[in-house]
Amino acid sequence: KAGVTQTPRYLIKTRGQQVTLSCSPISGHRSVSWYQQTPGQGLQFLFEYFSETQRNKGNFPGRFSGRQFSNSRSEMNVSTLELGDSALYLCASSLLYNTGELFFGEGSRLTVL
Amino acid sequence: QQQVKQSPQSLIVQKGGIPIINCAYENTAFDYFPWYQQFPGKGPALLIAIRPDVSEKKEGRFTISFNKSAKQFSLHIMDSQPGDSATYFCAASFGEETSGSRLTFGEGTQLTVNP
Repeated sequence: KAGVTQTPRYLIKTRGQQVTLSCSPISGHRSVSWYQQTPGQGLQFLFEYFSETQRNKGNFPGRFSGRQFSNSRSEMNVSTLELGDSALYLCASSLLYNTGELFFGEGSRLTVL
Repeated sequence: QQQVKQSPQSLIVQKGGIPIINCAYENTAFDYFPWYQQFPGKGPALLIAIRPDVSEKKEGRFTISFNKSAKQFSLHIMDSQPGDSATYFCAASFGEETSGSRLTFGEGTQLTVNP
């Protein structure tokens, strides 16, 4: 069974640009969550989607947004990039909503110059 | 408070030793406590998890001890091996309909097991 797939794995952007990251969950999983991982702040929750609806949102500015499609695939977008947005963005899927049993992808490493 | 405090930040043990990683939480509404293991270049992987109605859970060489009154839980790795060298994260979730699968993570512990 294929795991969570994230694309692209690495990308470099400059300040002010925007970026879109993609996540394909494990087949059959309907919930997709996004986390930001940095050395200073650790793992921080961005948002969670279930059945194409955003169910939860973390404490991030509105520049961070996401969506989920009918096939459960998800994208997140960061607009007007800042240097502090450099991080590993992790997508996780779970079979059900309201479970802590998350299966993470390998992440998309974003560098903002 | 929704924080989860984890210690130590780093830990070095010899092969066969029993590293212990500790976590503490404040919010008694948390009701699910997983541990994740992360290797360099990989995403975190669920290792073992416990709920507050259980004081201990074992899975292979990994054991969670849970102290509800102290609001603390810990991970023990028996007979540690060099392949266990990784970063370990404790986490907590509310398990409520409104909270979904949202996890609050500890700061992480970088474990090194020397041969």
